[in-house]
Amino acid sequence: NAGVMQNPRHLVRRRGQEARLRCSPMKGHSHVYWYRQLPEEGLKFMVYLQKENIIDESGMPKERFSAEFPKEGPSILRIQQVVRGDSAAYFCASSQGPIYEQYFGPGTRLTVT
Amino acid sequence: GDSVTQMEGPVTLSEEAFLTINCTYTATGYPSLFWYVQYPGEGLQLLLKATKADDKGSNKGFEATYRKETTSFHLEKGSVQVSDSAVYFCALVMDTGRRALTFGSGTRLQVQP
Repeated sequence: NAGVMQNPRHLVRRRGQEARLRCSPMKGHSHVYWYRQLPEEGLKFMVYLQKENIIDESGMPKERFSAEFPKEGPSILRIQQVVRGDSAAYFCASSQGPIYEQYFGPGTRLTVT
Repeated sequence: GDSVTQMEGPVTLSEEAFLTINCTYTATGYPSLFWYVQYPGEGLQLLLKATKADDKGSNKGFEATYRKETTSFHLEKGSVQVSDSAVYFCALVMDTGRRALTFGSGTRLQVQP
């Protein structure tokens, strides 16, 4: 009965490289949320996806960031040409649907050097 | 827009002391309210929740009451333990719309033996 899984747990990238973060929702969950936590701050919503659809990306930076949740496989948050300001913890949460509770994964801690 | 304000930390208490962490919110509708706990290096775990005015959420000795008149959801525990040391986040989600959680900035609790 696995919970939400994220990998990698830690990711180090040099400025200008690409970062790919993966999230596998809980079994039976088809809704995924991505949040970003900057050091010493709360979590900020980035994007809300359902299988094969982006429902709400109002929290995503307009450039360099993209997300997908394909029919098969995990949800992917992709950050192109990373900069130092992208260093943060990225959390994924999944739910059965929009009115249901969100369950969080352990996060991916991205460090940009 | 919707927002959550928490008391700043760190809060340092001795074991068995009484805990209060203040949380107030601003919302245009009728949110559901949550407290999440984050232990070092881990993701967020739901601690308790309340979905309507005057509801009391409780779990593991922690309690919080949804006060619509003061737009507050203060977290309390009668006797803290060293193992309660963590960061606590207050959050809300609206019953309509995108269903993304809006978080406060978090309050770090340190309990000393």
